[in-house]
Amino acid sequence: EIVLTQFPATLSLSPGERATLSCRASQSVSNYLAWYQQKPGQAPRLLIYDASNRATGIPARFSGSGSGTDFTLTISSLEPEDFAVYYCQQRVHWPPLTFGGGTKVEIK
Amino acid sequence: EVQLLESGGTLVQPGGSLRLSCAASGFTLTSDAMSWVRQAPGKGLEWVSTISATGTIIHYADSVKGRFTISRDTYKNTLYLQMNSLRSEDTALYYCTKARGELDMILEYWGQGTLATVSS
Repeated sequence: EIVLTQFPATLSLSPGERATLSCRASQSVSNYLAWYQQKPGQAPRLLIYDASNRATGIPARFSGSGSGTDFTLTISSLEPEDFAVYYCQQRVHWPPLTFGGGTKVEIK
Repeated sequence: EVQLLESGGTLVQPGGSLRLSCAASGFTLTSDAMSWVRQAPGKGLEWVSTISATGTIIHYADSVKGRFTISRDTYKNTLYLQMNSLRSEDTALYYCTKARGELDMILEYWGQGTLATVSS
């Protein structure tokens, strides 16, 4: 089973600042990594797939990078609606499909 | 427009059974893989089960294997999760998800979830 480790667990930032979230895989997942955003009381939403491709309707301030075992989700300038929990997920070695433990981006 | 509407979640005693449903609209279940993903209160996301677009490939998480069964009714365009021998650790919000294609496992659409609570 591939373990995905996200860090930091919590990121405290102000609106307008840049957010950098990390996801590390226990073994290579090539570029088959996705990122999801979950706001309180809502279902997760697909942001990025295959490491760097934005899903339909996702603003350009969200970008993803990385390959192999190390991945990054960057939010270039935080908007108020971006404060949420973010999860990474791999799809190359499944079952099981695995998710990271999440990073909470909170308002400083 | 793709919509996924889950139902069936309720309070059940340990050892009991529950069947969750996910009514799909805006696409057909025979076109894309469907999965159940759960989230325990205050916790992260855990994949539970997947059924392929053809219905011929089914996978389960080890934590539910032998107790849960995923199925679908293509005429009703509805996905199901039959949950037996329920345990307290199965308490979670259960999301129905649609993949982008046949087993590509990019979870493109999510329902709002249905809450299953296992407690005496």
